[in-house]
Amino acid sequence: GQSLEQPSEVTAVEGAIVQINCTYQTSGFYGLSWYQQHDGGAPTFLSYNGLDGLEETGRFSSFLSRSDSYGYLLLQELQMKDSASYFCAVRDTGFQKLVFGTGTRLLVSP
Amino acid sequence: KAGVTQTPRYLIKTRGQQVTLSCSPISGHRSVSWYQQTPGQGLQFLFEYFSETQRNKGNFPGRFSGRQFSNSRSEMNVSTLELGDSALYLCASSLVFSGRASNNEQFFGPGTRLTVL
Repeated sequence: GQSLEQPSEVTAVEGAIVQINCTYQTSGFYGLSWYQQHDGGAPTFLSYNGLDGLEETGRFSSFLSRSDSYGYLLLQELQMKDSASYFCAVRDTGFQKLVFGTGTRLLVSP
Repeated sequence: KAGVTQTPRYLIKTRGQQVTLSCSPISGHRSVSWYQQTPGQGLQFLFEYFSETQRNKGNFPGRFSGRQFSNSRSEMNVSTLELGDSALYLCASSLVFSGRASNNEQFFGPGTRLTVL
């Protein structure tokens, strides 16, 4: 099976940089994704790492290291609207289903 | 292009009843996945349908079932409701079956909040 562990909560101030880690145990997967979910809202897709390394999309970057079974989401120039829950997810090569991490609640304060 | 829609948005049922939730994917999307979200368990995969066929199933009891219609709309049904079934049920659509997707992008609906009393 698969398991993806994330810190339950991270706090930061506006303008800061924050890193949300995701460590996983899975026998095989295609790539690591990140989703954002605001309270009361639907998860929205942020990024995908199919290969090891860094992917950058505006203020957000995501990193994957398969050898370390580890990935992270980096949020720069934090804004209040970034307060949300963030989930990492993998699609396993066996059952093909998307498995989500435990989720990290990010609280951005003024 | 309209997003994923789910109906109803809120539902209150009592133990032992059954419930049917509906999901309309983004136009052109043929894959629909269902998830259960609870504070304790996070986002748990229920099943995925593509071209009216169930392609994947999560670790949920047989009380949870679903189907997909020829227009890609999907329904999920929960029979003999239990208190623990109280959750946000999310539907997500994508263009292709997740096993053929180049990334893991799915488009989620707003969810149906089910409360079982």
